[in-house]
Amino acid sequence: AQKVTQAQTEISVVEKEDVTLDCVYETRDTTYYLFWYKQPPSGELVFLIRRNSFDEQNEISGRYSWNFQKSTSSFNFTITASQVVDSAVYFCALNNNNAGNMLTFGGGTRLMVKP
Amino acid sequence: NAGVTQTPKFQVLKTGQSMTLQCAQDMNHNSMYWYRQDPGMGLRLIYYSASEGTTDKGEVPNGYNVSRLNKREFSLRLESAAPSQTSVYFCASSELFFRGPPMNTEAFFGQGTRLTVV
Repeated sequence: AQKVTQAQTEISVVEKEDVTLDCVYETRDTTYYLFWYKQPPSGELVFLIRRNSFDEQNEISGRYSWNFQKSTSSFNFTITASQVVDSAVYFCALNNNNAGNMLTFGGGTRLMVKP
Repeated sequence: NAGVTQTPKFQVLKTGQSMTLQCAQDMNHNSMYWYRQDPGMGLRLIYYSASEGTTDKGEVPNGYNVSRLNKREFSLRLESAAPSQTSVYFCASSELFFRGPPMNTEAFFGQGTRLTVV
């Protein structure tokens, strides 16, 4: 069985604050993939990042950064200097080859960035 | 480049009616998925198909059936709609590559179908 937990259901910050969205996952397999998606108010799902279980390097893309730690089964997402346009629901997801390529999502974190 | 196309975008059903949600992808992906999204519940997997000819239950399969018609198409059927099936439904596809270390693409999503059962 695999599971993704996003304990923060809602976060509210003021523009320019940094914010970290937590993601904890469970899987029995050694090969898996982790993803973050953004769902803006318009409703579509926007892919942000993919990370495989063999690559624990952290990644930075502009104001976004991701911290993958296998020891704690976490894949956290940080937005630096948040902007109003970052307001959205963010989903963490886990894909497991050995489970027939099943893709499991966390419950999502709603981020509200106030001006 | 269409990606994943879902139809219809909106639908209202009466309790007990049946309908089929259609999904097609043009990326030659093997894996396809159906999710439902409810307020505060995130995306829950209904059914998935790892490859053409196979389908498996996800987290919330009750009340639904699926058909992987061919590699491109994966449909979701509600045989007898219930108000509890009011939701937004998303279809998605992805691919797993085995050239070298296994590598999975991200899932590509359709625009969603907003279904209301009254």
